[in-house]
Amino acid sequence: DVKVTQSSRYLVKRTGEKVFLECVQDMDHENMFWYRQDPGLGLRLIYFSYDVKMKEKGDIPEGYSVSREKKERFSLILESASTNQTSMYLCASSTDRGTEAFFGQGTRLTVV
Amino acid sequence: AQRVTQPEKLLSVFKGAPVELKCNYSYSGSPELFWYVQYSRQRLQLLLRHISRESIKGFTADLNKGETSFHLKKPFAQEEDSAMYYCALQTGANNLFFGTGTRLTVIP
Repeated sequence: DVKVTQSSRYLVKRTGEKVFLECVQDMDHENMFWYRQDPGLGLRLIYFSYDVKMKEKGDIPEGYSVSREKKERFSLILESASTNQTSMYLCASSTDRGTEAFFGQGTRLTVV
Repeated sequence: AQRVTQPEKLLSVFKGAPVELKCNYSYSGSPELFWYVQYSRQRLQLLLRHISRESIKGFTADLNKGETSFHLKKPFAQEEDSAMYYCALQTGANNLFFGTGTRLTVIP
């Protein structure tokens, strides 16, 4: 019973390309998150959305943007991909304060 | 600003030995604290949260507001506990921040 789905498991893009990472959740959650996961650095928050069209910057928003036009979908956009954006990207969703966040399977992005 | 610190990147213990994974936080408001776990080739998933004060898979964690800590403990480690563990803090605005993680290896 998959609840949070990321569109790709693996992605290879060229430097300078515009990259879209898609995330869909089927739990009617208000909150959605994008993280990048790097060895030794843990999960770093890129962007957070608490409602449709609403977003907040996380710790490392530079070089990224997001879109949330529908409640169930949260997209991460790399405007011009660079090699230092090679990473594992995780999407998550949650509802009320104190409740569990559900994660997607991750997208491993390689920028060459 | 909020911050979650996990001082140990790697931790190895023998099977049957006690385990303690450390987590300290800084946040000006009243936080919600969580422990998440990622087993090999699996998604990140919730292990436990301080609000429920429960024991999951033999693990417990107590929120110590005086020391701003939320250490994860288990009295007797099992091989299946080997995984990556992340401490997480949720702010009043429902944002969710993670630490750098601790990789636990339980040696048979």
